[in-house]
Amino acid sequence: ETGVTQTPRHLVMGMTNKKSLKCEQHLGHNAMYWYKQSAKKPLELMFVYNFKEQTENNSVPSRFSPECPNSSHLFLHLHTLQPEDSALYLCASSPAPPGELFFGEGSRLTVL
Amino acid sequence: QKEVEQNSGPLSVPEGAIASLNCTYSDRVSQSFFWYRQYSGKSPELIMSIYSNGDKEDGRFTAQLNKASQYVSLLIRDSQPSDSATYLCAVNGYGGSQGNLIFGKGTKLSVKP
Repeated sequence: ETGVTQTPRHLVMGMTNKKSLKCEQHLGHNAMYWYKQSAKKPLELMFVYNFKEQTENNSVPSRFSPECPNSSHLFLHLHTLQPEDSALYLCASSPAPPGELFFGEGSRLTVL
Repeated sequence: QKEVEQNSGPLSVPEGAIASLNCTYSDRVSQSFFWYRQYSGKSPELIMSIYSNGDKEDGRFTAQLNKASQYVSLLIRDSQPSDSATYLCAVNGYGGSQGNLIFGKGTKLSVKP
């Protein structure tokens, strides 16, 4: 596998469910990111990890919980989400912040 | 509030023409500038980065940066239908948000055969 891979690609969940998004990068980068993309809005940075340490939390609600066990893997744990959280969640990596980002294909989340 | 502004378009150009995409930014200390292309239903992919005033060319793409005017542009020469996509401008700055790339909403480009 090459690049940045995200799973699942599509996720439908109820407001009381708990689910997780997974991201893995095979580029040897040290920084990983979660972005949210909603219709007619610019890409919103959620979290930044550099050498598996969180360096940015862009005022994200606590119902989103990131986890970065090592520089190659990043998770986003989801619980008690709201319908307005429905969006495309993009994982990205770069050699170091704020470098050139390489994005995964995204996880399309729908909250019912 | 740091902002990146782009004309949402759609920008329509005929095949073979030059497409000109523009972006302005509010943070005077920004040092790094990027252009991403996003096809419908796909994730963004990096096509150009520029860090110094002036022009940077890569194939049919030219990025232009003017820090005094806080303006960055992307020119696509000999536009092809396959260039039809949304182009995102991204800018970063120093200080507390050095790792924070701020994206514009994107300009949708349509190249007509």
